[in-house]
Amino acid sequence: AQTVTQSQPEMSVQEAETVTLSCTYDTSESDYYLFWYKQPPSRQMILVIRQEAYKQQNATENRFSVNFQKAAKSFSLKISDSQLGDAAMYFCAYRIANNDMRFGAGTRLTVKP
Amino acid sequence: KAGVTQTPRYLIKTRGQQVTLSCSPISGHRSVSWYQQTPGQGLQFLFEYFSETQRNKGNFPGRFSGRQFSNSRSEMNVSTLELGDSALYLCASTRQGANTGELFFGEGSRLTVL
Repeated sequence: AQTVTQSQPEMSVQEAETVTLSCTYDTSESDYYLFWYKQPPSRQMILVIRQEAYKQQNATENRFSVNFQKAAKSFSLKISDSQLGDAAMYFCAYRIANNDMRFGAGTRLTVKP
Repeated sequence: KAGVTQTPRYLIKTRGQQVTLSCSPISGHRSVSWYQQTPGQGLQFLFEYFSETQRNKGNFPGRFSGRQFSNSRSEMNVSTLELGDSALYLCASTRQGANTGELFFGEGSRLTVL
């Protein structure tokens, strides 16, 4: 069974600094997708960044980047120059094409001014 | 382009009642998935519909059911409500053939069972 583990229930970062959120997953598949979703308080879940497993290059979206280690089944999210608006629950997710998306338990990120 | 729309946004029911939640996917998206989100269990997959057929199903009792219409809109129904059914129910859609795997989520329907 595919599982996703986020070992950090809560993280805190000072505004303008960098923070890394951890995620590991378990799968026997070779072709899959990995995602980081952001869920602000009482707001919609939105995609932050995604990574196709067949791509060796780590995905980057502005201040957000990932460290994808396929052999280690690790997919961490780095947020650079943290902003107050980054405060949210962050979910790591895994999906095989045409199957359900599996989510980790989430990491609550607090950004201190 | 309008996003995923879920109605109602908030509702309160009592034990034993039933509830129907609605989801309109993004135009052109034919796959709709439903998730239950609770503080204790996190995000749990309920079911997915594609072209009016249930394609995948999570590990929930038969009280939870769903359907999809020809216009891709979907409904989920929970019968004989229990206190533990209190949760945020999220609907998400995806475009077949996009090869990205990404789900687009609605704002959710928050159900409180008293």
